[in-house]
Amino acid sequence: DADVTQTPRNRITKTGKRIMLECSQTKGHDRMYWYRQDPGLGLRLIYYSFDVKDINKGEISDGYSVSRQAQAKFSLSLESAIPNQTALYFCATSRQGTDTQYFGPGTRLTVL
Amino acid sequence: ILNVEQSPQSLHVQEGDSTNFTCSFPSSNFYALHWYRWETAKSPEALFVMTLNGDEKKKGRISATLNTKEGYSYLYIKGSQPEDSATYLCAPNTGNQFYFGTGTSLTVIP
Repeated sequence: DADVTQTPRNRITKTGKRIMLECSQTKGHDRMYWYRQDPGLGLRLIYYSFDVKDINKGEISDGYSVSRQAQAKFSLSLESAIPNQTALYFCATSRQGTDTQYFGPGTRLTVL
Repeated sequence: ILNVEQSPQSLHVQEGDSTNFTCSFPSSNFYALHWYRWETAKSPEALFVMTLNGDEKKKGRISATLNTKEGYSYLYIKGSQPEDSATYLCAPNTGNQFYFGTGTSLTVIP
């Protein structure tokens, strides 16, 4: 079984809809992250959480919110999806220290 | 926001050639530098993490060096093989956040 899982893997939705992307991990890591990847722009950090009670905005948090339901679960919500949120979204985890990141398989989101 | 630059953007080499890429980053607020390998249709996978000026790491035919004073890291691949084809990402870490470069896309031609 994969250590970091994301659901759904693919999603097509319409402008204005609320969307939730979920991430679960079995690595026992305390830190979790959400990134989006756009062609030519690399990976950009949306939100990160160093433990259950810690939530921090990343580089591009506008239009997104997150919830850390448990150490193993970190979900990303788009309150009202817009077309420029069409991207590949990755969840990642790390352990405090060197913070090597372990990525999930990604969720491809298309907003029409 | 950290300005991370990787060069070249893309590279095509023949099987057996050796190659290297560069990652440049601001030297202030440095905590660690990570290299990741990202194959098409997969997720990024960690290659190396380096923290000290002068660090060198090696994994098989791939190695990396770090210069924190001038803010750069080199990734070397010796005797490239088709399975080395991937995008190589560097990510300096300030201690709180990662800042990924846009990567160097390597294609090894058999």
